[in-house]
Amino acid sequence: GENVEQHPSTLSVQEGDSAVIKCTYSDSASNYFPWYKQELGKRPQLIIDIRSNVGEKKDQRIAVTLNKTAKHFSLHITETQPEDSAVYFCAATDAGNMLTFGGGTRLMVKP
Amino acid sequence: NAGVTQTPKFQVLKTGQSMTLQCAQDMNHNSMYWYRQDPGMGLRLIYYSASEGTTDKGEVPNGYNVSRLNKREFSLRLESAAPSQTSVYFCASSDWGGNEKLFFGSGTQLSVL
Repeated sequence: GENVEQHPSTLSVQEGDSAVIKCTYSDSASNYFPWYKQELGKRPQLIIDIRSNVGEKKDQRIAVTLNKTAKHFSLHITETQPEDSAVYFCAATDAGNMLTFGGGTRLMVKP
Repeated sequence: NAGVTQTPKFQVLKTGQSMTLQCAQDMNHNSMYWYRQDPGMGLRLIYYSASEGTTDKGEVPNGYNVSRLNKREFSLRLESAAPSQTSVYFCASSDWGGNEKLFFGSGTQLSVL
């Protein structure tokens, strides 16, 4: 099955700095890579996703890049704000189109 | 639209007790899922139902059973709870399969003593 590894497990940045979270996956047939944000005590919510036919996607301060050859994808958050503090999960589909999640990254944005 | 509704929000069980977690969605989605969330381990798939009338095991199915009651409802049952099942459980749904946005319920915090 699919194996998704996510790094770092915790990340602390100053407000206004950029944050980068990286994930690797094992199944070369994976073709869908979403990112979910989970605020403390809340449910995970999709913030951005990318499909294998696209190398990069951007939505305001958030961007995701995908390198299919190397089997890794990354989340980039620019101009971080305190409300960006949360746990972020990457995920990838397996051959059966089921999502496998990474272990999560706790992002702390210090004012 | 309520989205995905799951009950209860909190539950404490003794080892060996049974319980059923209920989940319902009002978005006319075909696929529904049960995940558990443990610290540092992300969200792990317990069971899923790709469409009404079908259910399949996910990554960690042992100790659980599911029922897709109809298109709206997907329940998770613990027949004989164990301390290792202490976790936060999330139900989710999507239009068709894992290649689409998942909508999550608000979660159930379960403690097994």
